[in-house]
Amino acid sequence: DSGVTQTPKHLITATGQRVTLRCSPRSGDLSVYWYQQSLDQGLQFLIQYYNGEERAKGNILERFSAQQFPDLHSELNLSSLELGDSALYFCASSFRTDNSPLHFGNGTRLTVT
Amino acid sequence: EDQVTQSPEALRLQEGESSSLNCSYTVSGLRGLFWYRQDPGKGPEFLFTLYSAGEEKEKERLKATLTKKESFLHITAPKPEDSATYLCAFFPYSGAGSYQLTFGKGTKLSVIP
Repeated sequence: DSGVTQTPKHLITATGQRVTLRCSPRSGDLSVYWYQQSLDQGLQFLIQYYNGEERAKGNILERFSAQQFPDLHSELNLSSLELGDSALYFCASSFRTDNSPLHFGNGTRLTVT
Repeated sequence: EDQVTQSPEALRLQEGESSSLNCSYTVSGLRGLFWYRQDPGKGPEFLFTLYSAGEEKEKERLKATLTKKESFLHITAPKPEDSATYLCAFFPYSGAGSYQLTFGKGTKLSVIP
């Protein structure tokens, strides 16, 4: 158990809808990361927050947004969903933002129908 | 553009048959490299961090090594429970507080009893 909690585990929704994925980092970790994993693309970095502040952005679509709250949990909001957004979404956390390994949750599997 | 490539994509081994997985990278400035193990439906689990060429780390039947151009994950006398996808990820020098890992697509290892 990595200590990173993600909810829900599974989400099935229709195209055009909006969903929110939630992540609680490991106790003491200040940085939260979101990754998308699809079969053909592997793990793709979306966005990083550190202590409530956005620090790095990767290949995140404009339809997607995230935030980190004062209690350090994070939410990833996905809107105007398309079939191609179906994927596993992982949250990870780390204590520092230099050479600390990331610790991953078990992901949310999103299926858009 | 920074890139990381893993080979082979898939590997089937008989129990006890040792082999190596490769992770090659082209990055502008490498601070270090991680190895992760991912089981189906789970998040990646941290295995090793390597920082400099010549460094080696070991854990049970796994040994990770790093050169200036690539990293190897050696698996000695594997068992069926070693079956998983193995991912490598590098972390470059980056701006203050910005910490973005780039993952390879992984090697799916199957160990047959």
